[in-house]
Amino acid sequence: DGGITQSPKYLFRKEGQNVTLSCEQNLNHDAMYWYRQDPGQGLRLIYYSQIVNDFQKGDIAEGYSVSREKKESFPLTVTSAQKNPTAFYLCASSIAGTGNYEQYFGPGTRLTVT
Amino acid sequence: DQQVKQNSPSLSVQEGRISILNCDYTNSMFDYFLWYKKYPAEGPTFLISISSIKDKNEDGRFTVFLNKSAKHLSLHIVPSQPGDSAVYFCAASVGDGQNFVFGPGTRLSVLP
Repeated sequence: DGGITQSPKYLFRKEGQNVTLSCEQNLNHDAMYWYRQDPGQGLRLIYYSQIVNDFQKGDIAEGYSVSREKKESFPLTVTSAQKNPTAFYLCASSIAGTGNYEQYFGPGTRLTVT
Repeated sequence: DQQVKQNSPSLSVQEGRISILNCDYTNSMFDYFLWYKKYPAEGPTFLISISSIKDKNEDGRFTVFLNKSAKHLSLHIVPSQPGDSAVYFCAASVGDGQNFVFGPGTRLSVLP
């Protein structure tokens, strides 16, 4: 059945290491997104991609990088430059260019950096 | 500066009663709004949406009201059920629907 998968559910890293969070979707959606959630705050957009091989920075892109080599996949790398990487990361996808703007979310990855 | 505000961090309601969750926004260009529900350790799930050409949209127990002049929307859940206990996020976008701004969420607890 269709959906978005994020793995792993929990991830632990040492400070100074880059880490890549995976996001795969089989919904045939063109657009994909990465959000970060911190306690007491709403979801904040890190990066989004409307089409393969293209992506745009969101509100808090500093310290992150993405790639979109395949329609189904939108991995997020949290680099050592990200000052506060510990957070809950959510990937989403949507049908781009239509009137249906719902975003479908994955289960999330909780990243802890010590 | 938060463009989308949900001023009540939490709300408790008795089962069977109405739950009203509020959302205010500052950007008058926002023209599409969604509500998401989120359980702990899961991704948000879409609940209901409304575009600025409407002032009400209803789906089963869920109704969203939009007051453009007040830049305010609300989600009504009637009757509330214990399974509705979750965090509810309001989100808004301009035009293309590609770049949503989310509110901080309101935690709803429905008491049996």
